[in-house]
Amino acid sequence: AQSVTQPDIHITVSEGASLELRCNYSYGATPYLFWYVQSPGQGLQLLLKYFSGDTLVQGIKGFEAEFKRSQSSFNLRKPSVHWSDAAEYFCAVASDPNTGFQKLVFGTGTRLLVSP
Amino acid sequence: KAGVTQTPRYLIKTRGQQVTLSCSPISGHRSVSWYQQTPGQGLQFLFEYFSETQRNKGNFPGRFSGRQFSNSRSEMNVSTLELGDSALYLCASSEGRPVGDEQFFGPGTRLTVL
Repeated sequence: AQSVTQPDIHITVSEGASLELRCNYSYGATPYLFWYVQSPGQGLQLLLKYFSGDTLVQGIKGFEAEFKRSQSSFNLRKPSVHWSDAAEYFCAVASDPNTGFQKLVFGTGTRLLVSP
Repeated sequence: KAGVTQTPRYLIKTRGQQVTLSCSPISGHRSVSWYQQTPGQGLQFLFEYFSETQRNKGNFPGRFSGRQFSNSRSEMNVSTLELGDSALYLCASSEGRPVGDEQFFGPGTRLTVL
């Protein structure tokens, strides 16, 4: 079965510093990967997605992610963090693209704290 | 386009009762998926409806059911509520394409079971 691991439960980053959130997936075929962000009391907002092609994916709000098949990873990065980026971040994989893209398997999330 | 809307935003129920949550997808979207989010289990897929048919199902007991109407609006029902059903229930809509689909989430319904 597909699975997603986000090894960091909490990360604290100083405002203006760079950020990398880790995500590892377990999936036999080519994965379809997503990063979502959730602010307190809100739903999920899609930051970026990887389906195929270029392994460096650009998203909204200045985020990017790199797909590395050899490491089964899809890490999220941002060169300079803003206080408004404080939120919870979820990595997800489409569980079976052959039967439907709609069943997402999520990691446990990483809560990002931004210090002044 | 208006986003995904969910009603109500907050609900308080007692054990044994039943509850119905509603989701209105983005205009033109034919697929609606439901997820349960809890601190202990995280985000878990409940089911997906496409053109009024349940197309995918997660690993939840039969107390959790849903349906979709011809206008793509969806409802989710939980019967015989248990304390463990307290959660944020998220609805997501998409075009429902077999490849390259993208889900848009609503703000969720916060259900508290006392």
